[in-house]
Amino acid sequence: AQKVTQAQTEISVVEKEDVTLDCVYETRDTTYYLFWYKQPPSGELVFLIRRNSFDEQNEISGRYSWNFQKSTSSFNFTITASQVVDSAVYFCALSEAYTGANSKLTFGKGITLSVRP
Amino acid sequence: ETGVTQTPRHLVMGMTNKKSLKCEQHLGHNAMYWYKQSAKKPLELMFVYSLEERVENNSVPSRFSPECPNSSHLFLHLHTLQPEDSALYLCASSPTVTGWGTEAFFGQGTRLTVV
Repeated sequence: AQKVTQAQTEISVVEKEDVTLDCVYETRDTTYYLFWYKQPPSGELVFLIRRNSFDEQNEISGRYSWNFQKSTSSFNFTITASQVVDSAVYFCALSEAYTGANSKLTFGKGITLSVRP
Repeated sequence: ETGVTQTPRHLVMGMTNKKSLKCEQHLGHNAMYWYKQSAKKPLELMFVYSLEERVENNSVPSRFSPECPNSSHLFLHLHTLQPEDSALYLCASSPTVTGWGTEAFFGQGTRLTVV
């Protein structure tokens, strides 16, 4: 069975600090996808990144970067020079690449990030 | 116009009421989903529809009844709910349901309170 663990529940930082959100996953599949979503106070989940299990290259997008380590089953997310607008709940998710008609996302419990001015 | 729109945004209902949540997607996607988000718990997948056909029901109580009249609209009919059903109900859509890592696009959710 798939499982996603986000051990951190709440993180509070001061603006301009760097912050890393941890994600550890479990799956028996060799082919899978990992995602990060952001949920601002307005409620909708906003897609941030998708990574497939064959691509272990780290990715950087502006102030965001992701570190995928297959050896430790981790897919950590770092925000550099955090801003107040980064305050949100962040979810890590896992999906199997193909499961017939029933492909679905398994989410972690989420990490509440608060960035103080 | 947002990609996935949910109405109402907030709903308070008594345990004997019947109400419906509505979701509409303007993205041309073929798959739609209902998720339940309770406090301190992971998002729980409730139902999956592909081309208007229900392909998954994740052991959801019968007091929740989904309906997908076409690929753009999804409803969740509610009746005789319990207070523990209070949660944020999120609708999502994706191009297909068969994975290959397609991300889901979410609506803003309906905050449901059962009194």
